[in-house]
This record gives sequence, C-alpha cells and structure tokens, in this order.
Amino acid sequence: QLQLQESGPGLVKPSETLSLTCTVSGDSISSSSYSWGWIRQPPGKGLEWIGIIYYSGTTSYNPSLKSRVTISVDTSKNQFSLKVTSVTAADTAVYYCARDLSGGTYFNWGQGTLVTVSS
Amino acid sequence: DIQMTQSPSSLSASVGDRVTITCRASQTISIYLNWYQQKPGKAPNLLIFAASTLQSGVPSRFSASGSGTDFTLTISTLQPEDFATYYCQQSYSTPHTFGQGTKLEIK
Repeated sequence: QLQLQESGPGLVKPSETLSLTCTVSGDSISSSSYSWGWIRQPPGKGLEWIGIIYYSGTTSYNPSLKSRVTISVDTSKNQFSLKVTSVTAADTAVYYCARDLSGGTYFNWGQGTLVTVSS
Repeated sequence: DIQMTQSPSSLSASVGDRVTITCRASQTISIYLNWYQQKPGKAPNLLIFAASTLQSGVPSRFSASGSGTDFTLTISTLQPEDFATYYCQQSYSTPHTFGQGTKLEIK
C-alpha cells in the first residue's frame, strides 16, 4: 500500500529556504506514470496548491509562489522534494505531499508536516 | 487562475439529515472537479473525482454531480463521522485551485 511521509525542519527563519522531502513507500516513483504534488494549509485556513512534478519531469507551480518554488525528484531515494526560498511568516503552514493519479486528482496524501517561519 | 467558490462556508446539521454543498468555478471546467473531506489534524481524503465518481471505499451516502461551472456534493443521511470540512478542487488546469471549504458541524 502506498505511503507518503513528509520530513524536514519544523522551524525556518525568515528569508531562509524551506526544504521538505516526501518519501514514497509501496511504489516506485521512477516506474510509475504518476505525478507528485505539494499542497499547504496555513493554520486554521484552507488548502493552497503549491505545485506538481509530472512523470515526464515537467513542473508546474502556483503563480503566487512560482519564483520561489522548486519541486524535484530523486529516483535513487524514491523521494521528491520541495524548496521555497525567501520565506516569510506567510509561509507558515502544514505542508502535504500527494500523489496525482489522474491529471490533478490527489488520491494519496502524506500526513502533513507543520513548518513555522519565525526568528 | 480558476477561482472556486463553495457555499455555504459552514453548515450545522443533525445526524440523519441530508445535506448539500455547492461549488462554483469561475470558468467552465467540464467535469474536472474533485471533492475532499478533511478532519481536524488529518490530511484531506479524496471522496469524489471527475465530478461524480465515488472513490473506492467511500460510503454510498456520498454523491456528487455537476459539470461546467456548477457542482454539488450531497450526503444523503449524515453519520457522526461525516462532521468535517469539505473542499472542492478543480483539476482542469494549473494551478489546481481549491474552494475555501465548507465546515459541517453538529447541530
């Protein structure tokens, strides 16, 4: 059964880079034709789509974050990652990784990890 | 970006009630519409995809319909475990935007 697990620092200082990793178990990132995405949720608020990396390696990012976001895949570790540069308090959120089975439909989610931006 | 608007933002209902949540897209999205349920402290869980297809394992009291710009999610007979927040999400184009959520509370 597929499982996704986010990992990374829970506290990041303003202006620094937020880096998270999603470890996939139960399936191989490189052998599947699925896509992998990141979604976040500020405390007490709704869901915000961050971006996606397609099985082809192509990426798409939310224009509201585009210049600061990078999503990449490490097939050797069966992981994909998220980097957000120049963070501010507005980037404080629970960050979820998810598997997209059908063009933007997120069938499987990680449990989420809270990242707080604070000095 | 395609804007997704849900109504109501919150809803109070009793066990056994029938409830309907609506979602409207700012432009036509065909049937590229998904519904998720989220309970406090948990990740969202996919309920419905492609506007009306029930995800495996989701109880049949959940149903959904719509196409174009207007969509609905209906829970036919509310159970205690259904009290949660529901989100619609469009998968027609990136960014894959979500509605603001509908919090379903016990009356």
